[in-house]
Amino acid sequence: EPEVTQTPSHQVTQMGQEVILRCVPISNHLYFYWYRQILGQKVEFLVSFYNNEISEKSEIFDDQFSVERPDGSNFTLKIRSTKLEDSAMYFCASSPRGQFGYSDTQYFGPGTRLTVL
Amino acid sequence: DQQVKQNSPSLSVQEGRISILNCDYTNSMFDYFLWYKKYPAEGPTFLISISSIKDKNEDGRFTVFLNKSAKHLSLHIVPSQPGDSAVYFCAASEDSGNTPLVFGKGTRLSVIA
Repeated sequence: EPEVTQTPSHQVTQMGQEVILRCVPISNHLYFYWYRQILGQKVEFLVSFYNNEISEKSEIFDDQFSVERPDGSNFTLKIRSTKLEDSAMYFCASSPRGQFGYSDTQYFGPGTRLTVL
Repeated sequence: DQQVKQNSPSLSVQEGRISILNCDYTNSMFDYFLWYKKYPAEGPTFLISISSIKDKNEDGRFTVFLNKSAKHLSLHIVPSQPGDSAVYFCAASEDSGNTPLVFGKGTRLSVIA
């Protein structure tokens, strides 16, 4: 069964460093997402990406964050200058695009645990 | 602001009995609802969904009920099995499943053998 994969599973970085989290969405999916879950809190939406551009982003997704689809398979989240409060589990998700009015399901990867020291 | 609320942080159920997990929402624009199951150190796994045009959707042991007037949905698992022990998240979106999901805080289900 196809699945979303993410690397690395755990990333430790120093405050102020740049990190890139990588995701390989399910191959025939067209929508891509990043969510995060700070320990003990809800899963929160960060950004969605469709047709090589951001379609929606939350207040959390400020100028320190960027997303890219550098090739036909990878989808990346970059944090330019990490802060302590960026420590969280980061989940990538993907969904197929249905026709108008058709609801699609988002499938999640296993997550990357980011620890900022 | 808690647009999606799961008021029970935990639930214990005997193996073979029914598990009922509840979820309330406040945003009347939500029209697509999903339940995800999550084990520690893994991502949320999709379980079942329901569109606002329906009031029930069933898939094997899992049934989701939607009461739009009460802005309430529930997930029934019957019979419950020890492997069902996990955290269950309710999520909702506007317009379609391709819009951002808003998650509840989750309910930890423990199925006791």
